[in-house]
Amino acid sequence: QKEVEQNSGPLSVPEGAIASLNCTYSDRVSQSFFWYRQYSGKSPELIMSIYSNGDKEDGRFTAQLNKASQYVSLLIRDSQPSDSATYLCAVGRGSNTGKLIFGQGTTLQVKP
Amino acid sequence: DAGVIQSPRHEVTEMGQEVTLRCKPISGHNSLFWYRQTMMRGLELLIYFNNNVPIDDSGMPEDRFSAKMPNASFSTLKIQPSEPRDSAVYFCASSFSQGARQPQHFGDGTRLSIL
Repeated sequence: QKEVEQNSGPLSVPEGAIASLNCTYSDRVSQSFFWYRQYSGKSPELIMSIYSNGDKEDGRFTAQLNKASQYVSLLIRDSQPSDSATYLCAVGRGSNTGKLIFGQGTTLQVKP
Repeated sequence: DAGVIQSPRHEVTEMGQEVTLRCKPISGHNSLFWYRQTMMRGLELLIYFNNNVPIDDSGMPEDRFSAKMPNASFSTLKIQPSEPRDSAVYFCASSFSQGARQPQHFGDGTRLSIL
């Protein structure tokens, strides 16, 4: 079992729809969770972080965390073709380490 | 503000040669991370430093890989001798501290090809 699992996709949604990206993690002591967006040939770019159970909203993006289920998700509302990218889920261990474990990423395609 | 700066952006070299990748973290950031990304294995942490001290090098694949951080504004990742399986994109990232809630900011990466 991988420590951080994501469906590789591609996830295809029409423009204007809600895209839902999911991530599960295996280590219960994990305390921090990040979503990075990576365009083809580019570096990962941080778009959301979440640390407590529940929802966190930032513009069109909503991160959801459920520690009991060891599950974190990213919702993108009103998806745009420019959102087409690979989305990486990253999970941080413990409270005093910067070590992140990344999932393999989910490729999102938003079709006009 | 300048982000994380990596050099070179691309490197093509022959098997057996020494390769040195360089990274300048964001000014004021105390933690620095080296990652490798391949299609097969995704994004893997190789090593990370806090206040110039290596904290976790468990991801370094073998003795051919070494990393140093002589000061707060410079780090190198060296591969000697290089092998074709080392071909990957190598990213450097930095964060304000090593706390779990500190986001990491990535450089543009070095695309390494070993022939």
